Amino acid sequence: GESVGLHLPTLSVQEGDNSIINCAYSNSASDYFIWYKQESGKGPQFIIDIRSNMDKRQGQRVTVLLNKTVKHLSLQIAATQPGDSAVYFCAEKLGTSYGKLTFGQGTILTVHP
Amino acid sequence: DAEITQSPRHKITETGRQVTLACHQTWNHNNMFWYRQDLGHGLRLIHYSYGVQDTNKGEVSDGYSVSRSNTEDLPLTLESAASSQTSVYFCASTGEGDNEQFFGPGTRLTVL
Repeated sequence: GESVGLHLPTLSVQEGDNSIINCAYSNSASDYFIWYKQESGKGPQFIIDIRSNMDKRQGQRVTVLLNKTVKHLSLQIAATQPGDSAVYFCAEKLGTSYGKLTFGQGTILTVHP
Repeated sequence: DAEITQSPRHKITETGRQVTLACHQTWNHNNMFWYRQDLGHGLRLIHYSYGVQDTNKGEVSDGYSVSRSNTEDLPLTLESAASSQTSVYFCASTGEGDNEQFFGPGTRLTVL
């Protein structure tokens, strides 16, 4: 039968709504957490990162929240646009890893006009 | 403008053949990475390099090898292609201390 792991989490929103994409990470020793966006047929693209000693960081229309107590990371996108439709990945990095990242499975965001 | 390119973009090969996927970056980054992307598994690290003559195994390195003879290139070789290696392959690079990895456009490899 088909593995449950083949189904990525999905989020469908209306244009103009706010979106919240969640991620559970595994390594409590990770120093950085990063969000990437991957559009269909393209490579992932960096969105925003947050250091482990922070709990919130804001960018342009995006906010990342970090809850180390429950090892949870979220990406909030304000006023979601059709161009935000993509797969979103969280990634974690150890400070000593010289850029080596461990990626989560991803969430599919679909924005309806 | 600096960029990272991959070639070929699409490749179909037969089981048992040797295949090499090219990755070239003009960022002058020391750190380069190869990932494979499969449904349900996200991006998994195959091999990585922190500089010329340096190579390291990632979490799914069996059946793959890399070499780093210059800063710009990190070719990925499948010594004897297997159907389980059908996947989309991404190359990435990053500067020292940076969290932003720059990804290439990917190579879709099909092993028949």
